[in-house]
Amino acid sequence: QVALRESGPALVRPTETLTLTCTVSGFSLSATGMCVIWVRQAPGKALEWLARIDWDDVKILKTSLRSRLTVSKDDSKNQVVLTLATVGPVDSGTYYCARMPVTDSYAFDFWGQGVQVTVSS
Amino acid sequence: SDEVTQPPSVSVSPGQMARITCSGDGLPQQYTSWYQQHPGQAPLLVIFKNNERPSGIPARFSGSSSGTTATLTITGVQAEDEADYFCLTTDSSATSFFGGGTKLSVL
Repeated sequence: QVALRESGPALVRPTETLTLTCTVSGFSLSATGMCVIWVRQAPGKALEWLARIDWDDVKILKTSLRSRLTVSKDDSKNQVVLTLATVGPVDSGTYYCARMPVTDSYAFDFWGQGVQVTVSS
Repeated sequence: SDEVTQPPSVSVSPGQMARITCSGDGLPQQYTSWYQQHPGQAPLLVIFKNNERPSGIPARFSGSSSGTTATLTITGVQAEDEADYFCLTTDSSATSFFGGGTKLSVL
């Protein structure tokens, strides 16, 4: 069965780099049409799309965060990694990864449970 | 424009119909999907490609799209449907945008 699980630090200091890992199972990151996306949600706020990485390693990043954001994957480890540089308090929130099969639903059909991140000194 | 707009809140009584709208200039060229989120939980896909329902989602959930507005309709609302609902579109550059979310209250 399809599953995604986010992992990473619960607390990050301001100006540091946040690194989050999404470990997937039940599907292949290299399967044609398969994409993984990252979304975050500040407490009490809306969902915010951050990034997408495709089966062929194409990467799409949120325009306003492009200078601080990177996404990569390791197909052999079934992992997708998101890094956000120079974090500040506004980067606090819950970070989710999800699957997006563009040749099927073209939607985020399976989600991880999320990882809560606080940026504070 | 990449902005997608939803009403902040919708209130209905149990058994009634709830309609939640999502408006954006790009919607005619894009698929819209809808997500339900209960407090403290991850979002759940309830509608994809404007009007298709994933397996396991009750038939009372339906979607439609016309012009610059997409609509999520819940027919015969139940207490467990009280949640936040978010629409999502993806533009031609593969960038996705969520609406601001709508809190559905079942009175």
